[in-house]
Amino acid sequence: SQQGEEDPQALSIQEGENATMNCSYKTSINNLQWYRQNSGRGLVHLILIRSNEREKHSGRLRVTLDTSKKSSSLLITASRAADTASYFCATVPGYSSASKIIFGSGTRLSIRP
Amino acid sequence: GAGVSQSPRYKVAKRGQDVALRCDPISGHVSLFWYQQALGQGPEFLTYFQNEAQLDKSGLPSDRFFAERPEGSVSTLKIQRTQQEDSAVYLCASSLAGPSDYGYTFGSGTRLTVV
Repeated sequence: SQQGEEDPQALSIQEGENATMNCSYKTSINNLQWYRQNSGRGLVHLILIRSNEREKHSGRLRVTLDTSKKSSSLLITASRAADTASYFCATVPGYSSASKIIFGSGTRLSIRP
Repeated sequence: GAGVSQSPRYKVAKRGQDVALRCDPISGHVSLFWYQQALGQGPEFLTYFQNEAQLDKSGLPSDRFFAERPEGSVSTLKIQRTQQEDSAVYLCASSLAGPSDYGYTFGSGTRLTVV
């Protein structure tokens, strides 16, 4: 079963606009990660945020984490056509230091030119 | 190699046939993971190896699924007596250390279609 739920399930925006995706999870975590998947391809790791961090930046990506609400958000600024993909949040449960990453169901992002 | 390599890229199997999917992780990566991804869904965990030891196989859906990594590098996921519900993309990922510390590097997956 999947731990994370992304919101929205699908998002379509104009090129140049910002895209925000949200993720909620159920159990305590060690860290939370975001991945991108282009159609028919494997997943690409974007960014990792640890449970004691609140915000992290990488290029045009900004991730926030609120452990009290068990939620995270991914912001992509100044979107480009190449950002069209599915985005997944993934959590490493806090009860296990050496176990699997659990993925959410994903947000399908479409960037209109 | 530079990335995680999976073969075959596509596999069509007749129902009841056995299949073997191969994963070649990044050299030196200790951890290896198998995931199953149905169309339009997120990846679902199958099993996890640390070197040659299979530390977690809780996600394997039935005893028809078997995974091995005998020398701590290449791994094979075997599905016996395939069923239509086994149709999915099977993703392999590797990580330098434990999954808590770094992100995974994924292969492009094997798309299995059972007819």
